[in-house]
Amino acid sequence: DIQMTQSPSTLSASVGDRVTITCRASQSISNWLAWYQQKPGKAPKLLIYKASSLESGVPSRFSGSGSGTEFTLTISSLQPDDFATYYCQQFRGYSTFGGGTKVEIK
Amino acid sequence: QVQLQESGPGLVKPSETLSLTCTVSGGSIISYYWSWIRQPPGKGLEWIGYIYHSGSTNYNPSLQSRVTISVDTSKNQFSLKLSSVTAADTAMYYCARSGVNGNYFDYWGQGTLVTVSS
Repeated sequence: DIQMTQSPSTLSASVGDRVTITCRASQSISNWLAWYQQKPGKAPKLLIYKASSLESGVPSRFSGSGSGTEFTLTISSLQPDDFATYYCQQFRGYSTFGGGTKVEIK
Repeated sequence: QVQLQESGPGLVKPSETLSLTCTVSGGSIISYYWSWIRQPPGKGLEWIGYIYHSGSTNYNPSLQSRVTISVDTSKNQFSLKLSSVTAADTAMYYCARSGVNGNYFDYWGQGTLVTVSS
């Protein structure tokens, strides 16, 4: 199975900061990667699919890049609503998720 | 607006079978893939498997021996059965939709917590 490793596991940041989260795959997954945001007690929300495509309705401050085994999710200017946990997911093989990155207030 | 709603018992005894149903409203179950995903308390996400409206399925190999997913297109529902449960199966269970362009999940249910305990 394809393992997904996210870093960091926790990130402390302030409103307005540029934030980058990394996801590495144990083997090449081309661009078969998605990013989700999850808030406590809620279901995950799709942000990015196919590594860099922005889901409809998601603010443009979110962007994704990468291919092969290394991917990044960038929030260009962190907003109060963005404090949450973020997960990557590969869907080249049967789906697996990264361990999550919690973005907390600095 | 597509909505998904999970339903089923919140408490299941060890060694028994967990059964959940997801009802899809605001759209058709046809031409999409429908998944079950779970999240143990305080932990990450695990994809369990999916079913297509035709009935074809694909399961996580780690759970395949215990999982059955079925679909009822007349009711716009799909269901999960997980047999021989243990405390390790305690989790929030989500149903979710993915499309033909890839198994990423654009619509999710709110989730239902299932606890395995005697």
